[in-house]
Amino acid sequence: SQQGEEDPQALSIQEGENATMNCSYKTSINNLQWYRQNSGRGLVHLILIRSNEREKHSGRLRVTLDTSKKSSSLLITASRAADTASYFCAKDQTGANNLFFGTGTRLTVIP
Amino acid sequence: NAGVTQTPKFRVLKTGQSMTLLCAQDMNHEYMYWYRQDPGMGLRLIHYSVGEGTTAKGEVPDGYNVSRLKKQNFLLGLESAAPSQTSVYFCASSLYFQGVHLGTEAFFGQGTRLTVV
Repeated sequence: SQQGEEDPQALSIQEGENATMNCSYKTSINNLQWYRQNSGRGLVHLILIRSNEREKHSGRLRVTLDTSKKSSSLLITASRAADTASYFCAKDQTGANNLFFGTGTRLTVIP
Repeated sequence: NAGVTQTPKFRVLKTGQSMTLLCAQDMNHEYMYWYRQDPGMGLRLIHYSVGEGTTAKGEVPDGYNVSRLKKQNFLLGLESAAPSQTSVYFCASSLYFQGVHLGTEAFFGQGTRLTVV
C-alpha cells in the first residue's frame, strides 16, 4: 500500500523505559508527521519533520527521518503511564493534497 | 476556539437509510478531510477538499458524497448505508499553503461512531 507500514503493531513497556516506533513509506514526501490517539478520541498532532530535516526534538519526543531508507522513527523517552495510546505516522506526499496514515502502533506503558 | 467539531457523535442506522455527518472548523483552514478508521486498517481517506466549493476523492470514496459549500463546513453523506460502512469517522482540517509544499499539522474532530445494522 502507498501508506507504508508502522512497526511494531503493539508495544508494551515499563514506566520509565524508552519506546521506539518506526514508520516506513514508499513515495517521496514533503514532510512526515506523528500523531497520538487516546482510546475513543480524535488524533492529536505531536511533531512534524520536513523532508530536509534529519532529526527533531519536542520535550520527551525525538523523531528521526531517513529519506534514503524512506523511514522515520519516534522515540519517547522516560515513558509514563499517560503515554499509553496509539501512535500514527502520516505522510504528506509530494504532489498529493492530503495525509496518508499508517495502521499505527499501540503503546502500553505499565505503571 | 472550538477547533474541529463533528456532529453527531454516535449514530445507528438501518441498512438503506441515509444520513449526513457535519464537520465544522473555526480556524479558517483551507483543507478539510474525511477519514474512516477501522480496526487494523488505520485511517483511510474518504474525500477531501482544498477549498470552498471544491471536493476530491480519496482512497475509499465509494458509497459516500461530500459538499463544501462554506469554507468552515464539510459534509459527508451516506445515501444508502451498508453494514460495511460501520466505522468511526473523523473529520480533520489543515492550513496549507497553495503552491508552497510546506504542509502543516492536521486538527481532528472527536469522531463519529456509526453503526449500520
